[in-house]
Amino acid sequence: GENVEQHPSTLSVQEGDSAVIKCTYSDSASNYFPWYKQELGKGPQLIIDIRSNVGEKKDQRIAVTLNKTAKHFSLHITETQPEDSAVYFCAAKNGIGKLIFGQGTTLQVKP
Amino acid sequence: NAGVTQTPKFRVLKTGQSMTLLCAQDMNHEYMYWYRQDPGMGLRLIHYSVGEGTTAKGEVPDGYNVSRLKKQNFLLGLESAAPSQTSVYFCASSYPGLAGSLAKNIQYFGAGTRLSVL
Repeated sequence: GENVEQHPSTLSVQEGDSAVIKCTYSDSASNYFPWYKQELGKGPQLIIDIRSNVGEKKDQRIAVTLNKTAKHFSLHITETQPEDSAVYFCAAKNGIGKLIFGQGTTLQVKP
Repeated sequence: NAGVTQTPKFRVLKTGQSMTLLCAQDMNHEYMYWYRQDPGMGLRLIHYSVGEGTTAKGEVPDGYNVSRLKKQNFLLGLESAAPSQTSVYFCASSYPGLAGSLAKNIQYFGAGTRLSVL
């Protein structure tokens, strides 16, 4: 069935370094790809998203890239800060409009 | 504007007990969802609703029932709780636009309900 694979499951970086999280999707009809950030004890919150007619989108220190041919999309966080520590989920909107989520990446930014 | 509110926040049940989780949204969204979150498995869709009076099964519906009697509320029921249902449950709502369109499906999540079944 349709699924979204997310890697890595855990990521530890030094403050100021960059972090990259990668996802692949299986449904070629997917056309919308959001990223959610979940802080401890809270629900996921949208941080950035991209539509399939765009290859890259940037918002301050975060950016998302999309390769439709390879069915890959990635989240890039530059100049990481301790408050970036959280669980990050990618998702893909499938052909019938539902979001399929990846397994999540726990990012730890060490001060 | 509270967004999506879930009650209760925590609950401990014994095997075989029943309970209902309540989700309320004040954004006038058509779509509502119930997910469960387990370590290493991300968010898995239990049931969802595309409008008042309608419900549909998601990825892991067994052991759960839902109702959407009012547009702003979406209830998740466990008739006979099992230890395998120990999880964190999240409700979300959205206005996703037309399927197949480039419309976004921005889902707004509640803070979650942590359920333990002993």
